[in-house]
Order: sequence, then C-alpha cells, then structure tokens
Amino acid sequence: GAGVSQSPSNKVTEKGKDVELRCDPISGHTALYWYRQSLGQGLEFLIYFQGNSAPDKSGLPSDRFSAERTGGSVSTLTIQRTQQEDSAVYLCASSLALATDTQYFGPGTRLTVL
Amino acid sequence: KNQVEQSPQSLIILEGKNCTLQCNYTVSPFSNLRWYKQDTGRGPVSLTIMTFSENTKSNGRYTATLDADTKQSSLHITASQLSDSASYICVVSSFSGSARQLTFGSGTQLTVLP
Repeated sequence: GAGVSQSPSNKVTEKGKDVELRCDPISGHTALYWYRQSLGQGLEFLIYFQGNSAPDKSGLPSDRFSAERTGGSVSTLTIQRTQQEDSAVYLCASSLALATDTQYFGPGTRLTVL
Repeated sequence: KNQVEQSPQSLIILEGKNCTLQCNYTVSPFSNLRWYKQDTGRGPVSLTIMTFSENTKSNGRYTATLDADTKQSSLHITASQLSDSASYICVVSSFSGSARQLTFGSGTQLTVLP
C-alpha cells in the first residue's frame, strides 16, 4: 500500500539485547517522526527528521536510543542494551514537510523486553 | 514547563448523542494544535490541525475549536457512532528556530454504546 509501514510488527527480546525497528515512510514525505507509547500511557515524542537537516533528538530518553534515516527515506530506530521499561509500542509517522502537514502513522512495532 | 491537559479522562455516551472533549495547554511558543483518534491497537489518525489564526476546523462529524487567547481547544463529535469509540489525543506543537517540541495530552477514552 501507500501508507507508512513498520517492521517487525512484534518483537520480543531479552533484557540487554539490541533491537532495530524499521520505518518506511510514505514516498515523497520529507518529515519523519518516531514516537513511543507505553501501556496505558500517552504518546511520547522521540526523534524527528526533516530532509537533510540535523535530526531533533530532544525526545530520546537515553543514549541507548539512536535513529538513522538513510537517503532521506527509510529510518531505523536502534535500542541498545534493552531494558524492561523499553517495552512499548513504537510508532513512526511521516508528513510532507511543513509543521502543519498531516502526519500519517504506521501500525507500530510492539516491543516486549523480557 | 509545556503541558497539555485533556478532560474528561473517559466518557461514555449513547449512540447518536453529541459530545465535546476539552484540551487546555500551556505551550510556548505555540505552532499548531492537532487532534488524533486512536483505535485500540492501531496507530493514531489525524483528525484536524489548527494554527494560531484558525478558530474552527471541521472534518466530517468532528469539529475542533481553538481559542489561542485562553489556550483552550475542544473537539466536538456530532451524532456519535459506535466506531467513534477510541482514544482522542490532543497534541500541541511548538517550533522555535530549528527545535521542535511536541507535547501530548494523555487522551480522552470515548466509549459509544448502542
């Protein structure tokens, strides 16, 4: 389809392992966002990419979290040395460019850290 | 500290009735305000986005209002349907220079009963 896709849909990992989550934004969208939603909690902003500008990393909770966006398209969110509190649904969204453009969300990746 | 408060936390109404959800914010500088609908287990879907100069915006049976002076927004749902049962999230964006901050409300859980 033409929407935002994320993979995997579910990921179960052991505490201390590294994980990579992938986001494929809508073609032509220059803005890409990562969010986290813990059980029973609201959305939490993590990181924002806009074109070739330096990403806004102000929402990353710790230095174990990092994200890349290669070629201005696909993005990977990496969590190193996972902890149980990292368990959440990780959502990716993309939009055309402007702050006022509609964000389109992917279905999310449910991460469970045992 | 930027904050977004939503009320009520939860709301139960009968199908066909109208309802209004509230969002109060203390975010500065203000860029825009968005309302999202999030079905259980799904990613959020954008309903409306409003900038400083906009007072009202409609999307089908959803009408959002914004009072930038009192820093309040409301989402009015007309003639509710069972499919309106979801979490409704208010998000306020501030954009200063190259820094973007998104502040999320905790959401209002709406249940529409037959």
